[in-house]
Amino acid sequence: KAGVTQTPRYLIKTRGQQVTLSCSPISGHRSVSWYQQTPGQGLQFLFEYFSETQRNKGNFPGRFSGRQFSNSRSEMNVSTLELGDSALYLCASSFRDRDSDTQYFGPGTRLTVL
Amino acid sequence: QKEVEQNSGPLSVPEGAIASLNCTYSDRVSQSFFWYRQYSGKSPELIMSIYSNGDKEDGRFTAQLNKASQYVSLLIRDSQPSDSATYLCAVRGGNTGFQKLVFGTGTRLLVSP
Repeated sequence: KAGVTQTPRYLIKTRGQQVTLSCSPISGHRSVSWYQQTPGQGLQFLFEYFSETQRNKGNFPGRFSGRQFSNSRSEMNVSTLELGDSALYLCASSFRDRDSDTQYFGPGTRLTVL
Repeated sequence: QKEVEQNSGPLSVPEGAIASLNCTYSDRVSQSFFWYRQYSGKSPELIMSIYSNGDKEDGRFTAQLNKASQYVSLLIRDSQPSDSATYLCAVRGGNTGFQKLVFGTGTRLLVSP
């Protein structure tokens, strides 16, 4: 079974631009979570989507948004990029049912903001 | 108090030794506990999950959970240099609704040949 895929793997943007990252979950998984990882802050939770609805949201400004499609694929968008948005963005998928809530991570998208 | 706490390390052990990684959490009703390994520049990969008090073994890895003490640990037997990585503890709190998975900042493990 294919794992979680994320595109693009690397991205370079300049301040003020916006960016859209994509995540395709493991087949059958209905939950997709997004995280930001920086050396100083560790893994910070952005949001979780399940059945096209945002179920959880972390403490990030409104510039960070996401959505999930009917096939469970998810996108996250960051508008008006700031230098501090440079990070590894990780997406993780899971079945998210009573018997299985284990998250499996994709390879990540490394975003550099210049 | 942080929701999930880990010693940042580095924890240095010689090859063949047992590495013991510890994690404490603040939400008393947490239900799901996970250990992930992350190599530098890579994404986290699942080592194991544990849901009930006691020990759970998988190969060289043993996870231990003590809900009364709000403590979860990971033991790595016969440590190898390839085990050198950052180990992340993750806890899903609460027992109702959609609870997010909270990660500790990780413990860096160094296994010397």
